[in-house]
Amino acid sequence: DGGITQSPKYLFRKEGQNVTLSCEQNLNHDAMYWYRQDPGQGLRLIYYSQIVNDFQKGDIAEGYSVSREKKESFPLTVTSAQKNPTAFYLCASSIGFGYKWDSHYEQYFGPGTRLTVT
Amino acid sequence: LAKTTQPISMDSYEGQEVNITCSHNNIATNDYITWYQQFPSQGPRFIIQGYKTKVTNEVASLFIPADRKSSTLSLPRVSLSDTAVYYCLVGDPRLDTGRRALTFGSGTRLQVQP
Repeated sequence: DGGITQSPKYLFRKEGQNVTLSCEQNLNHDAMYWYRQDPGQGLRLIYYSQIVNDFQKGDIAEGYSVSREKKESFPLTVTSAQKNPTAFYLCASSIGFGYKWDSHYEQYFGPGTRLTVT
Repeated sequence: LAKTTQPISMDSYEGQEVNITCSHNNIATNDYITWYQQFPSQGPRFIIQGYKTKVTNEVASLFIPADRKSSTLSLPRVSLSDTAVYYCLVGDPRLDTGRRALTFGSGTRLQVQP
């Protein structure tokens, strides 16, 4: 089955530690995204990547880092510089940007990782 | 990026048609309107996308007036399982150089009662 996997589902860390969240997709999608969701709130974009070895900051990139060394993988590191890291983290992918005027792509989301930092 | 405004919450009963309206006054020429559905502790799921007039698929219809300053997601005969948060997004989903990814707002929380 094609899809996006995120692991683990729940993650607990001590304050001051860096932690890396995994995101893998086998959909052969070019674009991948990381979002953060706080209770009762919408999704906020952290980073996105249009293609391998390229990524762009989203609206709340401070305290986070990413890499895109392989097409199928887009790990997110939550660093100790992130002031309030406890949240639900969602990874998504889409076919990718296109150059045709009528090319518009939907995002496919993973199941999410709930990170708790104490 | 176009800002969207949608109701915070809505209530309905099983079997009724639900219409959720989204306002996007400063939508740009190249922007599309996309709706997602999210259940608790899950990632959002794409429902429908459109540019103008009416789009219909197996789960919903999307109505977009000629001025494109608003759009309405219509869910026919809702059931309890349609209880979820619905997000209206406006933007160009393509990520060409200089363009930004779509932005999710707070969404509309739909509660369907028996």
